[in-house]
Amino acid sequence: GDSVTQMEGPVTLSEEAFLTINCTYTATGYPSLFWYVQYPGEGLQLLLKATKADDKGSNKGFEATYRKETTSFHLEKGSVQVSDSAVYFCALWNYGQNFVFGPGTRLSVLP
Amino acid sequence: NAGVTQTPKFQVLKTGQSMTLQCAQDMNHEYMSWYRQDPGMGLRLIHYSVGAGITDQGEVPNGYNVSRSTTEDFPLRLLSAAPSQTSVYFCASSYSGAKETQYFGPGTRLLVL
Repeated sequence: GDSVTQMEGPVTLSEEAFLTINCTYTATGYPSLFWYVQYPGEGLQLLLKATKADDKGSNKGFEATYRKETTSFHLEKGSVQVSDSAVYFCALWNYGQNFVFGPGTRLSVLP
Repeated sequence: NAGVTQTPKFQVLKTGQSMTLQCAQDMNHEYMSWYRQDPGMGLRLIHYSVGAGITDQGEVPNGYNVSRSTTEDFPLRLLSAAPSQTSVYFCASSYSGAKETQYFGPGTRLLVL
């Protein structure tokens, strides 16, 4: 079945550092890809998404590009802030099926 | 709009006890689902519903029951709690035609002793 693999972390960075969280997937067909963010004590929120190969999703300074040739959807941000501290989930969705989530990556940003 | 609400926020149960986790949404979404979140395993789908009166099993349905009598509510029942059900539970909803856009509740943290 479909699956998502991502680095589990925790990832600890200093403020203004560059962030990369790796995500790779295995899926049939042409899934849509997502990054969700979970802030402490809250539910998941959609951060960005991409629905086809070579699409770039972006939001709040975060970006991820749908790379079908490497089956990847890595999350990047050029300069992280303390407020970005959260758990980040990579996920995929195939039409007619249910979501598949990765295990999540905890990010801590130190001032 | 309140969005997706869940109650309680936190619950402690003893093995063998039963309880119901409540989930409600006020967005008139047809599709609702329950996930459990465990360390290192991400979110796993327990049950889902595509509309009132229709439910189906997800990846990890054993030990849980659901019903959908109204569009707004989708309760999750634990009939006889087990320590393996200690987890954080999330409810989510979306329009059936846009299942990729899910809205999540704040979660219920459950501890089974």
